[in-house]
Amino acid sequence: NAGVTQTPKFQVLKTGQSMTLQCAQDMNHNSMYWYRQDPGMGLRLIYYSASEGTTDKGEVPNGYNVSRLNKREFSLRLESAAPSQTSVYFCASSVRRNTEAFFGQGTRLTVV
Amino acid sequence: DAKTTQPNSMESNEEEPVHLPCNHSTISGTDYIHWYRQLPSQGPEYVIHGLTSNVNNRMASLAIAEDRKSSTLILHRATLRDAAVYYCILRDLNSGGSNYKLTFGKGTLLTVNP
Repeated sequence: NAGVTQTPKFQVLKTGQSMTLQCAQDMNHNSMYWYRQDPGMGLRLIYYSASEGTTDKGEVPNGYNVSRLNKREFSLRLESAAPSQTSVYFCASSVRRNTEAFFGQGTRLTVV
Repeated sequence: DAKTTQPNSMESNEEEPVHLPCNHSTISGTDYIHWYRQLPSQGPEYVIHGLTSNVNNRMASLAIAEDRKSSTLILHRATLRDAAVYYCILRDLNSGGSNYKLTFGKGTLLTVNP
């Protein structure tokens, strides 16, 4: 059982480049989330999707866009990467928005 | 939002029990107490949650004070694999509100000595 799968695991971008972080879950969960984690800080919510076709902004949405492609997949796009977006990004899913969440292994992104 | 307070770090010896405390004095009647942990270089992992009664699962036990203003995560026999940051989080399971946030604080860094 794969759970929540994130790709890629590591990425280095130049300032101004764009990229999409992929996330897929095979647990038939309705809700999906994107978080970022910076050194010495807790996880901060970027965007959230309660169900297929809906997305909502979290605490730190600026500089990001998301797409809930279908029930399984929730992607995070950086249109013009900035050094401040260097972080570890985690995708998570849950049955509903207020039940326990399951996390992927993370994507380590460095913007130079 | 109701907040939680945890010690920054704790140490334990392998095969001994560990009691990780969490204070949540402003907890509301509909807040569930959730615990997650994050092993080095991994994503957070759900551990356990409860409302009023003590809870047990294969990973840990959760002891909740009678007034619900504090709780304790109990690892019955710590192993080296239990070394992680442990997060105590309150989640309002009412359908309204911003309960989707799953707000993480800094948690408690548990070190397990061999």
